[in-house]
Amino acid sequence: DGGITQSPKYLFRKEGQNVTLSCEQNLNHDAMYWYRQDPGQGLRLIYYSQIVNDFQKGDIAEGYSVSREKKESFPLTVTSAQKNPTAFYLCASRRTGLNEQYFGPGTRLTVT
Amino acid sequence: ELKVEQNPLFLSMQEGKNYTIYCNYSTTSDRLYWYRQDPGKSLESLFVLLSNGAVKQEGRLMASLDTKARLSTLHITAAVHDLSATYFCAVDLDNAGNMLTFGGGTRLMVKP
Repeated sequence: DGGITQSPKYLFRKEGQNVTLSCEQNLNHDAMYWYRQDPGQGLRLIYYSQIVNDFQKGDIAEGYSVSREKKESFPLTVTSAQKNPTAFYLCASRRTGLNEQYFGPGTRLTVT
Repeated sequence: ELKVEQNPLFLSMQEGKNYTIYCNYSTTSDRLYWYRQDPGKSLESLFVLLSNGAVKQEGRLMASLDTKARLSTLHITAAVHDLSATYFCAVDLDNAGNMLTFGGGTRLMVKP
């Protein structure tokens, strides 16, 4: 089955540690996205990538980093510089030429 | 800065009733998306609206877009309990499917 995989579903870290969230898709989509969702709020765009080895900052990129070495993978690193990292993180992908983004199941990150 | 406002933020309604959720946005865009989110889950795409006057219907839900008024509506007809969820609109800032700005969501509860 084609789809987007995010792992792990729940992630716990101590403050000051970097943590990397995984996002893999086998939909052969060119574009991939990372969003953050805080309780009771909408999604905010962190980073996106339209092609391999290229990515752009979204609205809230500070404290985050990404890489796009393979078409199917777009990992997100939450660095210690991110002031409030606890949130629900959603990855999405989109096929070039189509408008719709498809979302993965999400990773809930808790930093204490 | 693009602002996307949904109202109401919370809606409790009886089964069988009709209601409309509104999504207003502050800058020019020809593309708007509606998503559904169940508690603790990811987002499910409902509608993609790509031009002024676009209307899409699926079951008891109908979405429309008025780009001149910068307004989209999601109309619920004869609500049923299964429609209980949070609904988000998202405006496509670059009209290319990349820069989505989400509204804060409307939490819908349909009571038997």
